[in-house]
Amino acid sequence: EPEVTQTPSHQVTQMGQEVILRCVPISNHLYFYWYRQILGQKVEFLVSFYNNEISEKSEIFDDQFSVERPDGSNFTLKIRSTKLEDSAMYFCASNTGGRNQPQHFGDGTRLSIL
Amino acid sequence: DAKTTQPNSMESNEEEPVHLPCNHSTISGTDYIHWYRQLPSQGPEYVIHGLTSNVNNRMASLAIAEDRKSSTLILHRATLRDAAVYYCILRGHNNAGNMLTFGGGTRLMVKP
Repeated sequence: EPEVTQTPSHQVTQMGQEVILRCVPISNHLYFYWYRQILGQKVEFLVSFYNNEISEKSEIFDDQFSVERPDGSNFTLKIRSTKLEDSAMYFCASNTGGRNQPQHFGDGTRLSIL
Repeated sequence: DAKTTQPNSMESNEEEPVHLPCNHSTISGTDYIHWYRQLPSQGPEYVIHGLTSNVNNRMASLAIAEDRKSSTLILHRATLRDAAVYYCILRGHNNAGNMLTFGGGTRLMVKP
């Protein structure tokens, strides 16, 4: 069964540095998402992306965050200047669209900011 | 979005059925009921969804109350691998961008 894959599985970065998290969504999916989960807390929506543009974003997704689909297969989340509070699991998801199509999640990237 | 209420945790014995409840008293007529689960150290995983009728798939069954103000996810025979956090999520017409709003879910513990 096709999967959403995320790399790296664990990223350690110094505070203030830029970080790029990478995702390969399922190939025929059209909608792409990023969520995060701070340790011990709920899964939180960050952003959704369709047709090469952001379709929705949460309050968490401020100017420090950006997303891109650079080459038709990868979907990336960039944090420009990381803060300690950005430490979390970041999950990528994709689906074919429509409010009742299941979202398929990757196993996440653990981001640790030092 | 309409809110859901789930117990924080539940315990089950292996190979016994598990009934995970969810209350959604403010559900609207166009809201679908979705269930996801999150196994330890993994991303969320879709389980099942429904609107009004009960639904079955290879993973679970979903029983929806006649007034739709509550639903129950049924695992027919719990295995150790079913130990996870189970999330009940409403998906409404206003979710044009398809985002999922996760609550705290129910942590299911399965005893051998």
